Amino acid sequence: QSALTQPASVSGSPGQSITISCTATSSYVGSFDLVSWYQQHPGKAPKLIIYEDTRRPSGVSYRFSGSKSGNTASLTISGLQAEDEADYYCCSYVGSSSWVFGGGTKLTVL
Amino acid sequence: EVQLVESGGGLIQPGGSLRLSCSASGFSVSIYYMNWVRQAPGKGLEWLSVIYSGGSTYHADSVGGRFTISRDNSKNTLNLQMNSLRAEDTAMYYCARGSPGLQAFDIWGQGTMVTVSS
Repeated sequence: QSALTQPASVSGSPGQSITISCTATSSYVGSFDLVSWYQQHPGKAPKLIIYEDTRRPSGVSYRFSGSKSGNTASLTISGLQAEDEADYYCCSYVGSSSWVFGGGTKLTVL
Repeated sequence: EVQLVESGGGLIQPGGSLRLSCSASGFSVSIYYMNWVRQAPGKGLEWLSVIYSGGSTYHADSVGGRFTISRDNSKNTLNLQMNSLRAEDTAMYYCARGSPGLQAFDIWGQGTMVTVSS
């Protein structure tokens, strides 16, 4: 069990918006800082889509946005498209040169 | 093109050793913090190890003492020496570039599969 909790699955219809949460649980020790988000399609390597909580790398669709409040970070995908169907992982810098990933969320586009 | 290509995975018996390599192109591994991340079949991502530009290394508790990260600047390659392998080390192993500017893992290799089984 990861110390960063994500819902196992979320779903939405094309055109809708969905939000995936990432919560630092009581077992999380360290700073909940510099949260990044990764998209992973089946059989593929992860791809960075959000860094430093809210920032979007060059080339990533504006439909992806990040936020953070307290011990919860969130990824919102607006205008869902079929190609968004993938697994999504949050990641936080814990401190002491270590990182932790969330357990991952499977997004299904209905 | 900025790219990472892992190699060295395979089938290994429990207790054995394996050395993974990650060849970088389009940038120098010596000026980024380079990482190894693994993913067990059907499971999530797990950060394992980092080596900073200055050479300092750190490992997750789950692999500390068994895994060692290193790099060869002359070959522009990142390595992971894995000893005392266990069945639970079975996973896809990815190398990932850590970008100081983004404070995130911005470039990933395609992964190399390690299977620990008798």
